[in-house]
Amino acid sequence: AQSVAQPEDQVNVAEGNPLTVKCTYSVSGNPYLFWYVQYPNRGLQFLLKYITGDNLVKGSYGFEAEFNKSQTSFHLKKPSALVSDSALYFCAVRDSRGGSARQLTFGSGTQLTVLP
Amino acid sequence: NAGVTQTPKFRVLKTGQSMTLLCAQDMNHEYMYWYRQDPGMGLRLIHYSVGEGTTAKGEVPDGYNVSRLKKQNFLLGLESAAPSQTSVYFCASRKDEKLFFGSGTQLSVL
Repeated sequence: AQSVAQPEDQVNVAEGNPLTVKCTYSVSGNPYLFWYVQYPNRGLQFLLKYITGDNLVKGSYGFEAEFNKSQTSFHLKKPSALVSDSALYFCAVRDSRGGSARQLTFGSGTQLTVLP
Repeated sequence: NAGVTQTPKFRVLKTGQSMTLLCAQDMNHEYMYWYRQDPGMGLRLIHYSVGEGTTAKGEVPDGYNVSRLKKQNFLLGLESAAPSQTSVYFCASRKDEKLFFGSGTQLSVL
């Protein structure tokens, strides 16, 4: 079985400050890890993914995430937050050994609010 | 380039009524998915398809049916709607480990 946890329902950060949105996962094999962002009344948009290789992954809009195998974490980070980053963020995981459909399991989401 | 298009965007049903949600993608993707999004629960997979003519059950398939008669279309049906099916429904297609989502259908069952 695979699962993902986002321990914070809400994260508030001041504009210009660094931000972190936390994610931990559980899979039997090696993980494929993803971050998606959802703006109000919109579908989810892909931000970044970790499949293999460098533990620090860079994605869209200046976001990055660090894969930490020992802590089974994949936290999303950005050095300097913008008000426009305010949105709902979802972490997702699938086992690399998955079948042809390769179903993702999504976390419950973290609402990020960047305060001006 | 439209991407993934869902219709309708909003719908209100009475308990017991039926309806079909349409998802269309113009990216020639093989894999398509239907999710429901409920507050505090993230996205849960209802059904999916790995190609034209194929469908499979996801995490929460009860009360829903799907069809994929054409590669570009993936239909989600509710035969007898229940209040528990009040949710926001998202369709997605997949290419190279990346999901492309539609803008969603907000469904209320009274």
